[in-house]
Amino acid sequence: NAGVTQTPKFRILKIGQSMTLQCTQDMNHNYMYWYRQDPGMGLKLIYYSVGAGITDKGEVPNGYNVSRSTTEDFPLRLELAAPSQTSVYFCASSPDGYEQYFGPGTRLTVT
Amino acid sequence: DQQVKQNSPSLSVQEGRISILNCDYTNSMFDYFLWYKKYPAEGPTFLISISSIKDKNEDGRFTVFLNKSAKHLSLHIVPSQPGDSAVYFCAAANDYKLSFGAGTTVTVRA
Repeated sequence: NAGVTQTPKFRILKIGQSMTLQCTQDMNHNYMYWYRQDPGMGLKLIYYSVGAGITDKGEVPNGYNVSRSTTEDFPLRLELAAPSQTSVYFCASSPDGYEQYFGPGTRLTVT
Repeated sequence: DQQVKQNSPSLSVQEGRISILNCDYTNSMFDYFLWYKKYPAEGPTFLISISSIKDKNEDGRFTVFLNKSAKHLSLHIVPSQPGDSAVYFCAAANDYKLSFGAGTTVTVRA
């Protein structure tokens, strides 16, 4: 099992550009999550999904969108990138909504 | 507002001694608590958890204690080893979502 995989590992965007962060899990977990971690801070929940076709906002959803068409994939879309979106993004999945398994992260810089 | 707080940003401990990490929370609806460990340039990995109906859970060198009345939990690592040097995050669960503390960086000295 690969677990949770994220691509790309690093990305530099210019202000106003858009991109999609990819997340795939092979554990057949229903629950999937997107977090961002800023320096010296804990992880903040952006969006989550309790199953294919179902998504909901977390604590910091502004500037992001998600979709969940399959159990395996949970892409995060950034529209009109802003410097405030410079962060490390983590995707996670969970079998029960509690113990979560994290991907290695995507480091995004917006300049 | 921050519902989960780790008030010690860093902890330095000698190899072989006990590491004690603390975490406080404000939301009484949290029903499950977890500790994660994170190395640089990697995602967090699950370490140990405790349900709100228990006050202690042990797994090898790691023990988590929960004091619901004080809304406080702690993680004990005994004995501390060099490989334990990492950032430790406390997390609390409610309604299938986790709230994380800011983390405590543990450095184990030889």
